[in-house]
Amino acid sequence: GAVVSQHPSRVICKSGTSVKIECRSLDFQATTMFWYRQFPKQSLMLMATSNEGSKATYEQGVEKDKFLINHASLTLSTLTVTSAHPEDSSFYICSARPRQGPSYEQYFGPGTRLTVT
Amino acid sequence: GEDVEQSLFLSVREGDSSVINCTYTDSSSTYLYWYKQEPGAGLQLLTYIFSNMDMKQDQRLTVLLNKKDKHLSLRIADTQTGDSAIYFCAERSLSGYSTLTFGKGTMLLVSP
Repeated sequence: GAVVSQHPSRVICKSGTSVKIECRSLDFQATTMFWYRQFPKQSLMLMATSNEGSKATYEQGVEKDKFLINHASLTLSTLTVTSAHPEDSSFYICSARPRQGPSYEQYFGPGTRLTVT
Repeated sequence: GEDVEQSLFLSVREGDSSVINCTYTDSSSTYLYWYKQEPGAGLQLLTYIFSNMDMKQDQRLTVLLNKKDKHLSLRIADTQTGDSAIYFCAERSLSGYSTLTFGKGTMLLVSP
């Protein structure tokens, strides 16, 4: 099946620093990638949708200047948390929709645990 | 906006059937999904059903869809301890980028 990877799987950073999370579709091209945030024992909240080569579309309440998304190629999207604060600590999950194949398909990465101290 | 509701917790004994229920509000949903999440891991697609179907069976999994009541269920036959996880119901709408809206997840605990 299709595989989506995320790197790093866990990261601890100091308050005020920036952290970049990578999301890659390993064996397919993804026209659309999604970034979600999940708090403990909570559901996934969509943060933004990105299409290759264009600006990301952010959900209401998500600060686009704080959560920078770059979808540079058909296999890579990055999420940069700028000037991170402890309240940004969360589990970040990306998802990718294949360029080709059945329209129902959407695959999820294993997630990145961000802890801001 | 779209809303997806699930019961939060289900406990069953190994070998029993599990039924996880979900309701949704978006009548323009195209696909409805069930995902499984194990602790500290991402989401694994278990199964999906297209909105014009009533039922779908895939090995131990049976999905039932009642479009009139906007009710979706996932039945796991012969539940095993390895099925213990959080199960998310999600619906995909026609609007915008056809994003997924998730329920809060149902924690399934299977005891020996």
